[in-house]
Amino acid sequence: AQSVTQLGSHVSVSEGALVLLRCNYSSSVPPYLFWYVQYPNQGLQLLLKYTSAATLVKGINGFEAEFKKSETSFHLTKPSAHMSDAAEYFCAVNFFRAFGKGNQVVVIP
Amino acid sequence: KAGVTQTPRYLIKTRGQQVTLSCSPISGHRSVSWYQQTPGQGLQFLFEYFSETQRNKGNFPGRFSGRQFSNSRSEMNVSTLELGDSALYLCASTRGAGGRGSHYEQYFGPGTRLTVT
Repeated sequence: AQSVTQLGSHVSVSEGALVLLRCNYSSSVPPYLFWYVQYPNQGLQLLLKYTSAATLVKGINGFEAEFKKSETSFHLTKPSAHMSDAAEYFCAVNFFRAFGKGNQVVVIP
Repeated sequence: KAGVTQTPRYLIKTRGQQVTLSCSPISGHRSVSWYQQTPGQGLQFLFEYFSETQRNKGNFPGRFSGRQFSNSRSEMNVSTLELGDSALYLCASTRGAGGRGSHYEQYFGPGTRLTVT
């Protein structure tokens, strides 16, 4: 079975500060991992994905994530938060099998 | 290239009615998946279709059904609506065949907001 855990449904971050969203997964097969972002009244948009090539994956809008097999984690980071990063973020494992419950990111000016 | 489109965008129904939602995937995509999104449960997988065949199904009651047409367009139907069916229903298409081993990302439509009163 596959599952994803995202802790902290709401995350507040100051503008210019580090954004860190945690994702831990469980998978009975080698995982493919994805981070998606959802802006209000829109569908989800892919930020980045891990497909067993490089463990450090760079995505759009300055986000990156590192796959750590020993920790079964795929945390998302961005060095400096921007107001436009306010959105909901979802981690997903192995296609449709499991999405995390999401992190609502609020950026404080 | 046009994105995934979903119609209608908003829908209000009463309990006991049925509803049909439509999804047109990105041109050339043959796999379509449906999700229910609610504040408490996040995204929950409903079903996936590839080449007009349902390949995978989530843990939803039989009131939820779907189909895919030869042009890859898909519809989902919910019969005997309940208040708890109020949600955002998202459709996603993917370039590959989808499935558990797929590394292809999904492209999501804007969703249909269903309100059941």
